[in-house]
Amino acid sequence: DTGVSQNPRHKITKRGQNVTFRCDPISEHNRLYWYRQTLGQGPEFLTYFQNEAQLEKSRLLSDRFSAERPKGSFSTLEIQRTEQGDSAMYLCASTPAGINYEQYFGPGTRLTVT
Amino acid sequence: AQSVTQLGSHVSVSEGALVLLRCNYSSSVPPYLFWYVQYPNQGLQLLLKYTTGATLVKGINGFEAEFKKSETSFHLTKPSAHMSDAAEYFCAVSERGNQGGKLIFGQGTELSVKP
Repeated sequence: DTGVSQNPRHKITKRGQNVTFRCDPISEHNRLYWYRQTLGQGPEFLTYFQNEAQLEKSRLLSDRFSAERPKGSFSTLEIQRTEQGDSAMYLCASTPAGINYEQYFGPGTRLTVT
Repeated sequence: AQSVTQLGSHVSVSEGALVLLRCNYSSSVPPYLFWYVQYPNQGLQLLLKYTTGATLVKGINGFEAEFKKSETSFHLTKPSAHMSDAAEYFCAVSERGNQGGKLIFGQGTELSVKP
């Protein structure tokens, strides 16, 4: 069990550029979640996958955001035409399928949009 | 919609003193309840959780929390604070019966421990 990993850990980009983050969950964890955390706030749910199926998306996930989990293993989160308001920590978590197992979080990707 | 309120964005205690971090939830049906800790520039680590059964739950690092349905609360305590407890603490809930299990977090409480 190597834990949830996220890459890159830090990303600085200019407004208007596209960025993509990757999350590798704990192997055999069926569920994968994305959260966004802004400074001084708790994480906010963005979306989650069960295997390769994206089953729920938050209203926070505007049309500039897209997430995929093509083979039910790793996931990517892409933000197109970044805005300064997208600056945040993006957290990924995974859990086995089932009701309310604990979610295991990765270290996060900190995005700064200049 | 469910919500979580953590009273006090900053709590400061002396080393060896009692730690009490407050969490209240709003839900007509008691949710599943969690406390996570976050150290600077790191992800979240689960301290403890309540799903069913005994309402006093014990977690890692000497922390415990008690679910009180009548008060819709799930306060986190530790009898004696240690310098290494300084961190951000988040209370979170997951809707009972929601198959997705997404977490709804409070805004967090930053704990400082003075020597």
